[in-house]
Amino acid sequence: DIQMTQSPSSLSASVGDRVTITCRASQGISNYLAWYQQKPGKVPKLLIYAASTLQSGVPSRFSGSGSGTDFTLTISSLQPEDVATYYCQKYNSAPLTFGQGTKLEIK
Amino acid sequence: EVQLLESGGGLVQPGGSLRLSCAASGFTFSSYAMSWVRQAPGKGLEWVSVITGSGGSTYYADSVKGRFTISRDNSKNTLYLQMNSLRAEDMAVYYCAKSEASSWYSGNDYWGQGTLVTVSP
Repeated sequence: DIQMTQSPSSLSASVGDRVTITCRASQGISNYLAWYQQKPGKVPKLLIYAASTLQSGVPSRFSGSGSGTDFTLTISSLQPEDVATYYCQKYNSAPLTFGQGTKLEIK
Repeated sequence: EVQLLESGGGLVQPGGSLRLSCAASGFTFSSYAMSWVRQAPGKGLEWVSVITGSGGSTYYADSVKGRFTISRDNSKNTLYLQMNSLRAEDMAVYYCAKSEASSWYSGNDYWGQGTLVTVSP
């Protein structure tokens, strides 16, 4: 099975910073990748699908890129409400594996 | 408005069974694949299973294969997860989630609030 590895596992950044989270697949998955945001105590929220397509209603400071094995989620200017854990998920084939998550905090 | 409402969670002994339900509304249920995703306390998301819109194809995580069965009743707009031979490591909040596209190979754009399954003697 294809493994999904996110890095870093956690990070702390200041409001206004540009933040990048990486997700690496152990084999190529084309662009079959989604990113989710889960705020503490809340349900996961779809941010990006097809590696780079912004889900409706998601702020434009979020963006995704990549194809094949390497993907990134970028927050162009970190806001206090972005404190959350972020997950990638591959969906080119079953199992639809999630990454282990990246916990983002405000410095 | 899309709504997904899970039910059926609770306390069960190891080796026991439980059936989860997810009542869907606000979209054409039969047109979308549906998934179950779980989250153990303090842990990350774990994909469990997916079923196509017609119910004709199902897929499972290795950790639940042979013990869990996903199904759906499109006439009732309801998704199910039959869980047998439950283990301590199955304890988690179980979410149902709607596929963003009609195919099962897509992200999940709507999630239920989750139902807690506790496995304990």
